[in-house]
Amino acid sequence: EEQLVQSGAELKKPGESLKISCRGSGYNFATYWIAWVRQMPGKSFEWIGIIYPGDSDTTYSPSFEGLVTFSADKSASTAFLEWHSLKASDSAMYFCARHLYGSRNAPAGPWGQGTLVTVSS
Amino acid sequence: DIVLTQSPGTLSLSPGERATLTCRASQSVRDSSLAWYQQKPGQPPRLLVYGVSARATGIPDRFSGSRSGTDFTLTISRLEPEDFAIYYCQQYGSSWTFGHGTNVEIK
Repeated sequence: EEQLVQSGAELKKPGESLKISCRGSGYNFATYWIAWVRQMPGKSFEWIGIIYPGDSDTTYSPSFEGLVTFSADKSASTAFLEWHSLKASDSAMYFCARHLYGSRNAPAGPWGQGTLVTVSS
Repeated sequence: DIVLTQSPGTLSLSPGERATLTCRASQSVRDSSLAWYQQKPGQPPRLLVYGVSARATGIPDRFSGSRSGTDFTLTISRLEPEDFAIYYCQQYGSSWTFGHGTNVEIK
């Protein structure tokens, strides 16, 4: 079964750093784009960007460029989303999602279960 | 960026009824790159339809997608109890953007 499993919920303080993970299994992790998506409570989805684990090629949404960093360890079939200085406004559910097929432009196939990030002093 | 406007915001229907959800794009969606997702509380979204009208693996045929120009429609022919959820459209031809969702609730 193709699936993505994300790391657990996080409670952090403003200014702290954070790195959450998304581990894939059941498929060749290196050959499918992974997208990161934010969902604020009661809201729709915002695309943060994508990473290709095979060569760590990345594209960020202009809204998130410079605020977050993607990385991937293809040997561990894991993608990461990182913040260097969190703000309260970063509090949200974060999902990783694998592209349905091996194209840069594709819908989401398997999704991770989500990682809830709460930033509060 | 392409803006997707979904209507209605809420659809109140009974099991067995037909549901028609609409998604209007602010500009042409490249290569028919329009998908629909279902999300239930506490769960990630599930892909229902992509490429305007192709059903994803395991999706029952009561779900169908169509297009007229920049208007896209998801139809659920006969609502089952498990179909009450929030539905989102998404364009993936140029990065990703999502509509704000239609909540299909039990009347």
